[in-house]
Amino acid sequence: GDSVTQMEGPVTLSEEAFLTINCTYTATGYPSLFWYVQYPGEGLQLLLKATKADDKGSNKGFEATYRKETTSFHLEKGSVQVSDSAVYFCALSVPSGAGSYQLTFGKGTKLSVIP
Amino acid sequence: DAMVIQNPRYQVTQFGKPVTLSCSQTLNHNVMYWYQQKSSQAPKLLFHYYDKDFNNEADTPDNFQSRRPNTSFCFLDIRSPGLGDAAMYLCATSRVRTGSYEQYFGPGTRLTVT
Repeated sequence: GDSVTQMEGPVTLSEEAFLTINCTYTATGYPSLFWYVQYPGEGLQLLLKATKADDKGSNKGFEATYRKETTSFHLEKGSVQVSDSAVYFCALSVPSGAGSYQLTFGKGTKLSVIP
Repeated sequence: DAMVIQNPRYQVTQFGKPVTLSCSQTLNHNVMYWYQQKSSQAPKLLFHYYDKDFNNEADTPDNFQSRRPNTSFCFLDIRSPGLGDAAMYLCATSRVRTGSYEQYFGPGTRLTVT
């Protein structure tokens, strides 16, 4: 079945450090790929997405590139801030067979940024 | 702003006492989803509605039911909550159209079972 594997957390970084959170996937067919962010006590917010190979999603300084050859969608940010502290979920979307699309999530990576 | 709204944000119920969580959306999306998220875990899909068609996940307990009276509203009913049902419940919506598969989430309802 479809699955998403992302790096184990928690990840602790100092402010302005470089961030990489690795994400690889297994899917039949051609999935769309997403990164969602969840701040403490909140729901999930879509951070960025990519729908085809070599697409780069970007938002708020975060970037991820859809790499079909390595089945990866790693999240990067050049300089993290304390406000980036959250849990990050990598996810893929494929047709559900019921006419809609279902998300398969990774287990999440908790990021803590310290001043 | 168009959005997904969940009420209440926090709900406390007693063991075995039925409880209903609500979700509304102003996005006019045709698909609505309910997820259960336990602490430090990824969200787990319980079921979804594609328009009026209900789609249950195979491993969703019978204790969980859902209603969608119209496009804007969707309810999650837990008939006899157990201690193991304490979790964050997330509602999400999506609009099925070519090239747009992302889901938009509400803020969640945190359910406590005493």
